[in-house]
Amino acid sequence: EADIYQTPRYLVIGTGKKITLECSQTMGHDKMYWYQQDPGMELHLIHYSYGVNSTEKGDLSSESTVSRIRTEHFPLTLESARPSHTSQYLCASSDAAGRTDTQYFGPGTRLTVL
Amino acid sequence: GNSVTQMEGPVTLSEEAFLTINCTYTATGYPSLFWYVQYPGEGLQLLLKATKADDKGSNKGFEATYRKETTSFHLEKGSVQVSDSAVYFCALSGNNAGNMLTFGGGTRLMVKP
Repeated sequence: EADIYQTPRYLVIGTGKKITLECSQTMGHDKMYWYQQDPGMELHLIHYSYGVNSTEKGDLSSESTVSRIRTEHFPLTLESARPSHTSQYLCASSDAAGRTDTQYFGPGTRLTVL
Repeated sequence: GNSVTQMEGPVTLSEEAFLTINCTYTATGYPSLFWYVQYPGEGLQLLLKATKADDKGSNKGFEATYRKETTSFHLEKGSVQVSDSAVYFCALSGNNAGNMLTFGGGTRLMVKP
């Protein structure tokens, strides 16, 4: 059973607000990821981290930023939310050992920006 | 680069029908292949995986065989249930240090009683 948590599950917020989406995992995984899932279901990698103090941008350009100060915690921040940021955000983690290790996903945060 | 193509949905079946969701891939080297399932309002869960050619992954009555000659990893289930209604994603993990997954576009399955 994967232990990866995301809060909040749902967030409705006005344009211009700063928001932070939380992601935590208790599995001790070094690698963590953020995906954006559009209404058409397609998943896009927006950020990833190989470990503490490591962050990289993914395939899809995003105005969000991430930090990795602790192994278990990988928050995503939007400094000024806009309606175009409305989407489902999924966090995932995987073990650093081996290329075939599975990514485990959190339940997601559904963000709506008015 | 790597890519995954899966059949477009929605796929609508009656309960106890046979399910096939096609998935083909393009990759260099020897990728690992995965099927993930996403139930309404939830994140993705690993359904099954295969790490080398001719491997068969199976879980909860679902099966998929890694076919290198046809670059395919089709998902099958002999008798679907209403509770199988979900979105199914085929994915591959290539030869990279980051365990990066390349996902297909997802296939929505609706099972009617």
